[in-house]
Amino acid sequence: GEDVEQSLFLSVREGDSSVINCTYTDSSSTYLYWYKQEPGAGLQLLTYIFSNMDMKQDQRLTVLLNKKDKHLSLRIADTQTGDSAIYFCAEIRMDSSYKLIFGSGTRLLVRP
Amino acid sequence: DVKVTQSSRYLVKRTGEKVFLECVQDMDHENMFWYRQDPGLGLRLIYFSYDVKMKEKGDIPEGYSVSREKKERFSLILESASTNQTSMYLCASSPTKKGQPYEQYFGPGTRLTVT
Repeated sequence: GEDVEQSLFLSVREGDSSVINCTYTDSSSTYLYWYKQEPGAGLQLLTYIFSNMDMKQDQRLTVLLNKKDKHLSLRIADTQTGDSAIYFCAEIRMDSSYKLIFGSGTRLLVRP
Repeated sequence: DVKVTQSSRYLVKRTGEKVFLECVQDMDHENMFWYRQDPGLGLRLIYFSYDVKMKEKGDIPEGYSVSREKKERFSLILESASTNQTSMYLCASSPTKKGQPYEQYFGPGTRLTVT
């Protein structure tokens, strides 16, 4: 199927690390993405990883890709209250459409 | 910076009305997309367009149509609005250049309520 799956909710304490997990389906996807959506806003691209990489680090964000298991994760170090949002993972269809297939989103709540 | 704008942030319409949602992007992107977002369902693709006057059905096109007369503008049309079309509508655009990550840039969304 076309499902990209994520858990719906994650709650962490401020200053801890958050890990948001995602499984995808298409082994031919060349790019995988993490988007962030703050309340009342559109989606903002946080980071992406090319499929020939295992890891990508960008300041407090670390993306890990396990192609064998089709598993993607986003780690946020030193999580802050401003990180509270919905996080979507997505994979791309490399046909003529360049469609992104999104997961249902993980709501991250950061407790003070 | 890429900018994707949507004509309204909030819209309230009555059942049976014809509704137009407009989206404009300023980065000369070839691809444009319309999604709806509902709690627990993530983003679902309604229609997309990869060129002027071209359109393709997404996963949930029923009850919707689209128009792309100019490259920068992509309109979503609800011919006869129904209450089950109450939702958040998100527009996005993306380039088609090879070697680029093809990320989609999103507008702020239109929250449509049909009463």
